[in-house]
Amino acid sequence: IAGITQAPTSQILAAGRRMTLRCTQDMRHNAMYWYRQDLGLGLRLIHYSNTAGTTGKGEVPDGYSVSRANTDDFPLTLASAVPSQTSVYFCASSESTGGTDTQYFGPGTRLTVL
Amino acid sequence: GQNIDQPTEMTATEGAIVQINCTYQTSGFNGLFWYQQHAGEAPTFLSYNVLDGLEEKGRFSSFLSRSKGYSYLLLKELQMKDSASYLCAASDSNYQLIWGAGTKLIIKP
Repeated sequence: IAGITQAPTSQILAAGRRMTLRCTQDMRHNAMYWYRQDLGLGLRLIHYSNTAGTTGKGEVPDGYSVSRANTDDFPLTLASAVPSQTSVYFCASSESTGGTDTQYFGPGTRLTVL
Repeated sequence: GQNIDQPTEMTATEGAIVQINCTYQTSGFNGLFWYQQHAGEAPTFLSYNVLDGLEEKGRFSSFLSRSKGYSYLLLKELQMKDSASYLCAASDSNYQLIWGAGTKLIIKP
């Protein structure tokens, strides 16, 4: 059982380019999340999905979009990357809406926007 | 506003005990999580408290006081592998997690 996988592991991207970060889970969890983690700051929620077909905005959604076509996949798209989006991105999932359920994290994608 | 405070860095000696504190201010409260994150890796779940009191799980214990907006993580018999960041997160009224910046714990031999 893989849990949660993310791709790519790392990426260097030119500003203005479009980029999709992939996230797949095999635990049949209903809820999924995208966070960014920056030095000195806590994890910040970008977008979330309580169940397939629904998505919601987190604390820092600007410049990002998500989709949840099925239970397993939750891709995050940067339409036109900017240097301030340089960060480590973590995808996570939980059995249900994560307020009281344990969230399980993927290994992360380290993104550098130049 | 919503806020989580925890020390930036702590140092302890192998075999000793260390307590990592966390204070929180959230709109509503549905529990307090502790996660461990080794450098370059993903966070992994350690504990969840929703009721006041101490919960013990092996070498790790977690305490919660809802009236004081306070929690701590207690690590006993420290091992070198405990060197990591420890993240505190509170669940708010919308069941979203508000995360602290993490406490980097350095263990010295």
